[in-house]
Amino acid sequence: EIVLTQSPGTLSLSPGERATLSCRASQSVSSRSLAWYQQKPGQAPRLLIYGASSRATGIPDRFSGSGSGTDFTLTISRLEPEDFAVYYCQQYGSSPPIFTFGPGTKVDIK
Amino acid sequence: QVQLQQSGPGLVKPSQTLSLTCAISGDSIYSNRAAWNWIRQSPSRGLEWLGRTYYRSKWYNDYAVSVISRIIIIPDTSKSQVSLHLNSVSPEDTAVYYCARDPGDFTSCFDYWGQGTLVTVSS
Repeated sequence: EIVLTQSPGTLSLSPGERATLSCRASQSVSSRSLAWYQQKPGQAPRLLIYGASSRATGIPDRFSGSGSGTDFTLTISRLEPEDFAVYYCQQYGSSPPIFTFGPGTKVDIK
Repeated sequence: QVQLQQSGPGLVKPSQTLSLTCAISGDSIYSNRAAWNWIRQSPSRGLEWLGRTYYRSKWYNDYAVSVISRIIIIPDTSKSQVSLHLNSVSPEDTAVYYCARDPGDFTSCFDYWGQGTLVTVSS
């Protein structure tokens, strides 16, 4: 089973700053199978990025995803007040079918 | 617009069966691309995928190894619902449970989620 590690655990930044979040896989992952989510307290996760770099419907272009193999990055170019939340990466493996999530990175206000 | 509406009890006794339902609207339960998933979240285990059901000329299921001996996911096509049944629960199964859609088309992600149901396992 592929294990996802996210860093840092917490990122303390100010509005307007750039956020760079890392997701590292224990084995190579298909870029097609890597996604990112945002979760706020009391809410379900919200899909931000799928296929490592494609923005989901309605997601602002300040969110971008990149990477391949075992290293993936979510970048928020300029933090807005509503972006302070927890972010998770997720991958899919097909043999056997399994979805796994990273432990999350919390982006909080500095 | 796809909507997933969850229902079910918030309290289950140890050793009993946890049962939740997810009502699907805005998409067909028979979609030949989508899959209907159950995911749970707890402080100790984080986000954990439990399993899925999907229709490709017939119904298929996949389950996580961690719960494979205790889980069944059943589509109710007459009501456009998907139900989760997890038996022999223990306090470790206490979590927020979500249903979610994988839209398919080789995306392998979850684009619509239910509102979540906090299930507590306690006597």
